[in-house]
Amino acid sequence: NAGVTQTPKFRILKIGQSMTLQCTQDMNHNYMYWYRQDPGMGLKLIYYSVGAGITDKGEVPNGYNVSRSTTEDFPLRLELAAPSQTSVYFCASSYSARAVGSNYGYTFGSGTRLTVV
Amino acid sequence: QKEVEQNSGPLSVPEGAIASLNCTYSDRGSQSFFWYRQYSGKSPELIMSIYSNGDKEDGRFTAQLNKASQYVSLLIRDSQPSDSATYLCAVTTSSASKIIFGSGTRLSIRP
Repeated sequence: NAGVTQTPKFRILKIGQSMTLQCTQDMNHNYMYWYRQDPGMGLKLIYYSVGAGITDKGEVPNGYNVSRSTTEDFPLRLELAAPSQTSVYFCASSYSARAVGSNYGYTFGSGTRLTVV
Repeated sequence: QKEVEQNSGPLSVPEGAIASLNCTYSDRGSQSFFWYRQYSGKSPELIMSIYSNGDKEDGRFTAQLNKASQYVSLLIRDSQPSDSATYLCAVTTSSASKIIFGSGTRLSIRP
């Protein structure tokens, strides 16, 4: 099983450039998430989606955009890269965040390490 | 007040001892609680989940939940060098639409 696949694994961007971080899952999960993790810090939620066509902002959405046209894909778009966006980006998915009583934690991708110079 | 708080550590524990990791959360409506392990440069990996007050054991790991005190803990028995990692506490919001992570506790097991 591939699980959650993120591409690229590494990227260096110049200030003002744009890029899309790709995320694909093959587990038929409804819920998908984008987090960023700065060095020595925890995970901050950028955007999330509870199903195809539905997205919502997390804690730190400024400077990012997302779309969810299919269940499998949840790309994250950076329009005008800034040094403050240097971070490691993780995509995650789950069956349902409402799954109380069952073992439905997140499955994470391997991450994208982004540097903006 | 942060939504999920953890002591950042580092917590140094001798090999073979019990490591105790603690977490408090602010949302009284939270119903699902998780512990993730993250090795340096790797993605988080789910190791325990707990939903009811009390203890839940899985191998060398025991998760403890006290909703009245809004407190979650993770015990690691017979600590091994391979347990050296950052441990992230995570809690669902009361709306249950997403999970909020603590900043993590760095655990170091010394030989």
